Amino acid sequence: SQQGEEDPQALSIQEGENATMNCSYKTSINNLQWYRQNSGRGLVHLILIRSNEREKHSGRLRVTLDTSKKSSSLLITASRAADTASYFCATDKAAGNKLTFGGGTRVLVKP
Amino acid sequence: SQTIHQWPATLVQPVGSPLSLECTVEGTSNPNLYWYRQAAGRGLQLLFYSVGIGQISSEVPQNLSASRPQDRQFILSSKKLLLSDSGFYLCAWTEGGAGQPQHFGDGTRLSIL
Repeated sequence: SQQGEEDPQALSIQEGENATMNCSYKTSINNLQWYRQNSGRGLVHLILIRSNEREKHSGRLRVTLDTSKKSSSLLITASRAADTASYFCATDKAAGNKLTFGGGTRVLVKP
Repeated sequence: SQTIHQWPATLVQPVGSPLSLECTVEGTSNPNLYWYRQAAGRGLQLLFYSVGIGQISSEVPQNLSASRPQDRQFILSSKKLLLSDSGFYLCAWTEGGAGQPQHFGDGTRLSIL
């Protein structure tokens, strides 16, 4: 079963708008990571937030983590057409750095 | 810098035929290596991972096997493919230790006819 579940499954916005997606998980984690996947390509790591962190920024990306609610959010500000992709959260809860991925959010940014 | 190579990019195979997908990593030593499968429009399912040469952990029972004959080489195999083996196969590596990001190859699109 999936440890992380993203919400919404799909998101369509206009260029310049913000895109927000959420991830919920079920068990305690060491860290939570967000990845991006362009159609037909491999995943690219975006940002990692540790269980003792609440918020992290990287460029136009902002990630929050609420361990009490077992949830995380990814915000992409001032979206661009090039941000069109699927976004996945992944949790790391055991030794060996095994990640458990959610089902992803498909984001379409219309120019 | 580190790079990961995965091939072939696309593969069409008949049911019952064998399979060998290869993944190699350059620019790092003793990486953790992973094989994932992704169904269309879905998340990734971890199939196998390896923390060293000859060390393979299987996550789900299935028709596939993995081997790591060299430090930076990871091979996914099957003796007889099933229709249900169709999918997008991704290889990834990470440095050892918890909390490291994974770096992915560009995947192999496998279609079984």
